[in-house]
Amino acid sequence: AQSVSQHNHHVILSEAASLELGCNYSYGGTVNLFWYVQYPGQHLQLLLKYFSGDPLVKGIKGFEAEFIKSKFSFNLRKPSVQWSDTAEYFCAVKGNSGYALNFGKGTSLLVTP
Amino acid sequence: EAQVTQNPRYLITVTGKKLTVTCSQNMNHEYMSWYRQDPGLGLRQIYYSMNVEVTDKGDVPEGYKVSRKEKRNFPLILESPSPNQTSLYFCASSTSKVLGATDTQYFGPGTRLTVL
Repeated sequence: AQSVSQHNHHVILSEAASLELGCNYSYGGTVNLFWYVQYPGQHLQLLLKYFSGDPLVKGIKGFEAEFIKSKFSFNLRKPSVQWSDTAEYFCAVKGNSGYALNFGKGTSLLVTP
Repeated sequence: EAQVTQNPRYLITVTGKKLTVTCSQNMNHEYMSWYRQDPGLGLRQIYYSMNVEVTDKGDVPEGYKVSRKEKRNFPLILESPSPNQTSLYFCASSTSKVLGATDTQYFGPGTRLTVL
C-alpha cells in the first residue's frame, strides 16, 4: 500500500526563517500527493496537491512543494514563515484504491515571534 | 456555504454506552469518509462510502459501524465504546470518489471523543 513518512515531528522556527518539511512516499508508480494544514482547534485544509505536470507546485499562503520522483520526495517549503503558520502539517498520498488518502503522522510547527 | 458539519463537537462518555457521531455535507458529494486522529499517528481512515448504501472498511474499522442511507449523511456509530477509541474524529467528503486532480476533499471541524 502507498504510504508517506514525515521525518520531522516537531519543528521550531523564528519568524522570517525558511521552512522545509520533509515527506517521502513509498510507491514507485504514479502517485498523487497532498499537503494539508491543521491550525490549532481547526479542521484540515488543503495547502496544495500534485497530480501531474510541473513538479513545483504552488499552494495557498505562500507554500510550495517540489515533487522529486528520483528521491520519492514531496517536501513542503516556505521562504519566510510567520507566527500564523504555527500549525500541524500533514503529507498525504492517494491510496491504491483511489478512494482514500493515506496520511503521514504529521509535523508540528511552532513559529516564535 | 459549502461545508461538512459534525455533531457533537465534544463528547465524554463511558465504556459500553452506544453513541453516534453525525456527519452531514451540503455539497451533494458522493464520497464520504471517517478518520481518527491520534498524536504521533496522524490520520487513519475508519470507513468510507462511495455512494448511498455503499460503504467499505478503511484501515482501522474495528469497533465502528457506519451507514449511508442518504447522500448527505454519514453517521459513525460506536456500539460499545472503549477507552482506546478516545480520539479526535474527522468526517470528510469530496467531489468525486476517485479523488482526481480537480477534486477537493472537505473536512469537518472534528469531534473530540473521550471514553472513560
